[in-house]
Amino acid sequence: GQNIDQPTEMTATEGAIVQINCTYQTSGFNGLFWYQQHAGEAPTFLSYNVLDGLEEKGRFSSFLSRSKGYSYLLLKELQMKDSASYLCAVRPGGYQKVTFGTGTKLQVIP
Amino acid sequence: EAQVTQNPRYLITVTGKKLTVTCSQNMNHEYMSWYRQDPGLGLRQIYYSMNVEVTDKGDVPEGYKVSRKEKRNFPLILESPSPNQTSLYFCASSRIQGTGGYEQYFGPGTRLTVT
Repeated sequence: GQNIDQPTEMTATEGAIVQINCTYQTSGFNGLFWYQQHAGEAPTFLSYNVLDGLEEKGRFSSFLSRSKGYSYLLLKELQMKDSASYLCAVRPGGYQKVTFGTGTKLQVIP
Repeated sequence: EAQVTQNPRYLITVTGKKLTVTCSQNMNHEYMSWYRQDPGLGLRQIYYSMNVEVTDKGDVPEGYKVSRKEKRNFPLILESPSPNQTSLYFCASSRIQGTGGYEQYFGPGTRLTVT
């Protein structure tokens, strides 16, 4: 089976940096995704990591360590609009089957 | 404008009455998927499609059917809906870019209630 773990909730201060962790145990690995989902809306794709290392996209960065089954999403210069749920998902095989974690609800406070 | 559309957006129906939720994308993506989202359980994949006439089961396929007769459309069919299929449903389309990157868009969601 597939197991993906993320913290349920986090709180961070506007302007600060927050790191959202994701650990996974899956039958295979062919990529890890991060999504942002505001309440009542559809998920928005943020990043896709296949190889180890850090990928940066503006204020958002995503890191992957395949040997440790670990990823994190780093959000810098937090803004109030970053309050949302952040979903980690893994593609275990070579097809488009994807398994999601239950998501981390991030609250940004002034 | 890149877009994934779903219809209907909201639906209340009764147990056993067959229904179809349509999904259409305008980006010529090969891959399409259906998900359901339930409180405490997160997003779970129902079915996915690699291309026309190629579909496969996700993690929760029971009670659902799909078809992919055209590249742009991927309807979700509930032959005999039951109350445990009350959920928020999302369609998504995606492609792997030539550079190795990834592009994905979700539809706006369909909130289904089965009484």
